Amino acid sequence: DVKVTQSSRYLVKRTGEKVFLECVQDMDHENMFWYRQDPGLGLRLIYFSYDVKMKEKGDIPEGYSVSREKKERFSLILESASTNQTSMYLCASRTSYNSPLHFGNGTRLTVT
Amino acid sequence: GESVGLHLPTLSVQEGDNSIINCAYSNSASDYFIWYKQESGKGPQFIIDIRSNMDKRQGQRVTVLLNKTVKHLSLQIAATQPGDSAVYFCAENNRAAGTALIFGKGTTLSVSS
Repeated sequence: DVKVTQSSRYLVKRTGEKVFLECVQDMDHENMFWYRQDPGLGLRLIYFSYDVKMKEKGDIPEGYSVSREKKERFSLILESASTNQTSMYLCASRTSYNSPLHFGNGTRLTVT
Repeated sequence: GESVGLHLPTLSVQEGDNSIINCAYSNSASDYFIWYKQESGKGPQFIIDIRSNMDKRQGQRVTVLLNKTVKHLSLQIAATQPGDSAVYFCAENNRAAGTALIFGKGTTLSVSS
């Protein structure tokens, strides 16, 4: 089975802190994604990457950046955390178009 | 714009009943669809997928139906169990969106015994 692992289940950070969310997948998938999930808004795409060192903006990239130095690892960075970034963050990966997207269990981030 | 929506935000059924969860999609160019289940505190879990060259696909206790004429997708769960209680999402993919899926907002299924 595909395994997508997010390093933290819960994080509490202060406004203005730099925050790193880490994600690792073990199935050699080319494509990796970061979503945030909020009540009433569903899943919204922040950034994705289709190859090492490649990244593409999703629907809501403002306030975020990403890093993909190795194929299996995709990091989401909040340069200066704000309270409106309190959310559930979900990492996912897939091999290609027309293949299932596999999710990690999420990181619930609270910014105070 | 592109969107994938669900007809009902909540659905309540009795244990043993069959459940039908619906989803409408707006982009006729979408050619790949997925259903996910998300339990509280967990990430979405893949249930079943279907490509646009098919009308129906069956899995274990689940069936996905695709009606391209009216751009409608449904998930049928047979003999619903309390463990099926969760939020169910549909998602679509099309070439214009590339490898990123477009998700609906979800239907919460509650199963009472």
